[in-house]
Amino acid sequence: KAGVTQTPRYLIKTRGQQVTLSCSPISGHRSVSWYQQTPGQGLQFLFEYFSETQRNKGNFPGRFSGRQFSNSRSEMNVSTLELGDSALYLCASSFDGNNSPLHFGNGTRLTVT
Amino acid sequence: QKEVEQNSGPLSVPEGAIASLNCTYSDRGSQSFFWYRQYSGKSPELIMFIYSNGDKEDGRFTAQLNKASQYVSLLIRDSQPSDSATYLCAVFRNRDDKIIFGKGTRLHILP
Repeated sequence: KAGVTQTPRYLIKTRGQQVTLSCSPISGHRSVSWYQQTPGQGLQFLFEYFSETQRNKGNFPGRFSGRQFSNSRSEMNVSTLELGDSALYLCASSFDGNNSPLHFGNGTRLTVT
Repeated sequence: QKEVEQNSGPLSVPEGAIASLNCTYSDRGSQSFFWYRQYSGKSPELIMFIYSNGDKEDGRFTAQLNKASQYVSLLIRDSQPSDSATYLCAVFRNRDDKIIFGKGTRLHILP
């Protein structure tokens, strides 16, 4: 069974630009969650999607948005990038998202210059 | 009080010994608990999950949960150098249905 796939693996952007990250969950998993990981803050919850609906949201500004498609694939968008957005962005899928274990992709390393 | 608290370490343990990693959480209503291992430069990998009070064993790993004291621990028996990593504790918080992570404990197994 293929794992969670995230693309791209690395991104370098400049301040003010926007970026879109992609995530394909494990087959059969309907919930996709996104996390930001930085050395200082650890893993911070961004949002969770289930059946194409945002079911939960963390404490991030509106510049961070996402969506989920009918095949459960998800995208995350960050607009007007800031230097502080530099981080590892992790996508995780789970069967139903309630309290099922999360399975992480390899992440997208975003560097904002 | 932090939602999910872990000692940042590093925790140094001799090869072959038992490594004990601890985690406390603040939301008394939390129901599900997870341990992840993260190697440097890699993404977190699920090791174990536990839902009920007591012990759960899987190979060299044992998760222990005490809901009354609001702590969960991970024991690694016969520690190997390959166990050197950061271990993340995660808790499913019932009040808002979020899985919240601690900042992790760095474990170093001494050859």
